[in-house]
Parts: sequence; structure tokens; C-alpha cells
Amino acid sequence: QSVLTQPPSVSAAPGQKVTISCSGSGSNVGNNYVSWYQHLPGTAPKLLIYDNNKRPSGIPDRFSGSKSGTSATLGITGLQTGDEADYYCGTWDSSLSAVVFGGGTKLTVL
Amino acid sequence: QLQLQESGPGLVKPSETLSLTCTVSGASISSTTYYWGWIRQPPGKGLEWIGSLYYTGSTYYNPSLQSRVTISVDTSKNQFSLKLTSVTAADTAVYYCARHGALTSGFLYWGQGRLVTVSS
Repeated sequence: QSVLTQPPSVSAAPGQKVTISCSGSGSNVGNNYVSWYQHLPGTAPKLLIYDNNKRPSGIPDRFSGSKSGTSATLGITGLQTGDEADYYCGTWDSSLSAVVFGGGTKLTVL
Repeated sequence: QLQLQESGPGLVKPSETLSLTCTVSGASISSTTYYWGWIRQPPGKGLEWIGSLYYTGSTYYNPSLQSRVTISVDTSKNQFSLKLTSVTAADTAVYYCARHGALTSGFLYWGQGRLVTVSS
């Protein structure tokens, strides 16, 4: 059971927008920065968003992050078939003194 | 360009110690204020943080693994290592090394991953 809760799967058509939620508590999402990762099979996870809403160099602005209270959201616009992947949120948990991840969300682009 | 590469045995027997090394190129582990971590992903499951090492040598471990984990650094080789003792089949996973700017920040640079299977 993951400390952070994500929906197991989401789906949308090419060109559409999708959001993925990440729910936590005051000891993690509520008081620490959230990161988001894209994970394609057989490859290393890729950092998409850090510090709640910042994009590393090279990440297109189709990817966005936001946070409100103890929940964070990853948004992806202009969906492409290449976006099909597993997406994970992650943050620091001050009570556990540990980096924690969500259980992952599988994105299907129909 | 920073690169990380995991190496070590791909098969470990139950009750033995899993040992992996991460070789860093493109930056010095000891001269930059970053954290160097290990993350794993068991087959069909999500990501799990194992622990991280600060460039000063301070270490931070996942409480669920703390009794079995040691992360150390060899600055002369620009490498950091993971040792996980008393392994079981539940420790079978792809193990990644990665770098993050703070314990609270994301992992920007990752190794390609090393599959380690625990089996007799």
C-alpha cells in the first residue's frame, strides 16, 4: 500500500487532455515539494515535474504540475501515443523521513 | 553530461547480500552538493526509494529497509554502492541509481537500471 494514492489507470484520446491525481497527507504532499515521473517499460524513469510545478530543461510545456493542500495533479495536454506510460508522483514524507512514491498510474492513449 | 551506470551481479541467492555499484561520470560525487540515491522497482509493482547519500557522506535510508541497507561512497573511483543483506525473493527488482538536488526534490538523472533476481 503506497503512502501516496494515484488512480491505477487513466485514458484519453490523442490530442485531448488528461489529469492524474496524487493524494497524500500533511506530512508529505501537504508540506513538501512534489515531483512527477514518466516511466516507459525497459527505460529509466524520466523527471517531468519537480518542486510542484517546475519542468526540467527539455520537458515540453504540454506537461504541467499543480498542488493544492494535500493533493497534487499532473496535467498532460495534446496527448500523443508516445505519452503512453506509467506515471508516478513522489515527495518527501517528514513523518517517515523517507522519499515516498505513489503506486503509479497507467496512461492509455486510445 | 552527467551519466550513471549500475553494475553488479544479476543473480543473488536467498539470505545472501546484494551488492551494486553506481559509477558516475560527468561530475564529481564529492565536489557537488547533491544527493545520490538508490530506487528499486519489483516486477509489476511501483517505485520504492531505498536510500540516499549526501556528498558529505551522510546517509538516509527507507525505514522499512534500514536494518538491511548500507550505502557508501568511493570518491577515488567516483562511485557509490548499495549493500542489502539477508535478501529474499521479495528483493527481486530492477535497481536504479539516481541523483537528486535535495531529499525533497526530484531525481533528475538516472542510471539505466540493473535487474537483480533473488533465487537459489
